[in-house]
Amino acid sequence: DTGVSQDPRHKITKRGQNVTFRCDPISEHNRLYWYRQTLGQGPEFLTYFQNEAQLEKSRLLSDRFSAERPKGSFSTLEIQRTEQGDSAMYLCASSLGGAVEKLFFGSGTQLSVL
Amino acid sequence: KQEVTQIPAALSVPEGENLVLNCSFTDSAIYNLQWFRQDPGKGLTSLLLIQSSQREQTSGRLNASLDKSSGRSTLYIAASQPGDSATYLCAVEVNRDDKIIFGKGTRLHILP
Repeated sequence: DTGVSQDPRHKITKRGQNVTFRCDPISEHNRLYWYRQTLGQGPEFLTYFQNEAQLEKSRLLSDRFSAERPKGSFSTLEIQRTEQGDSAMYLCASSLGGAVEKLFFGSGTQLSVL
Repeated sequence: KQEVTQIPAALSVPEGENLVLNCSFTDSAIYNLQWFRQDPGKGLTSLLLIQSSQREQTSGRLNASLDKSSGRSTLYIAASQPGDSATYLCAVEVNRDDKIIFGKGTRLHILP
């Protein structure tokens, strides 16, 4: 197993365009999280899945953001009509869930909105 | 609402010193607490996880303690090395199957 994979590593887009990020969690991990991180800040929770079910979505997430996890495997995060304030590192993490299960992060997707 | 605070925001110490990083949380009803390390431009790596029923966890030169009643955790790093330079973040899971909330981290610089 190669860990949590995120694609792409970097994305540069113009304001108003749509972007989609992909996350492949560690196989058999039933929990998958999306976080956003800006420079000097801790990861900010966006949403998370238990298998294919999206259990919670942050109130900070506008309607322009949507996430899916079909069949409980990989996940996608789409941002529509991007704004300059969306520029950040988008991090994906997965875990088995449970008292002793650590969270494993991918390397992130760095989004720059021009 | 759970909030996680880390003090100090940044710390520089000479190589070889022992040091303590602090984390506090506002809601003591946590399920577990994790300490992470993050190198610049990279993802996070989990270092230690403490269940709510535990008081501490150790891994090599790292020791994390948890005082749930006072809403505090510390990460102790013994005999610091330049390779320990990174940002250290703590995160709490409030209830089972709930989201995990992070602090802003402590940027640690070990001076050779």
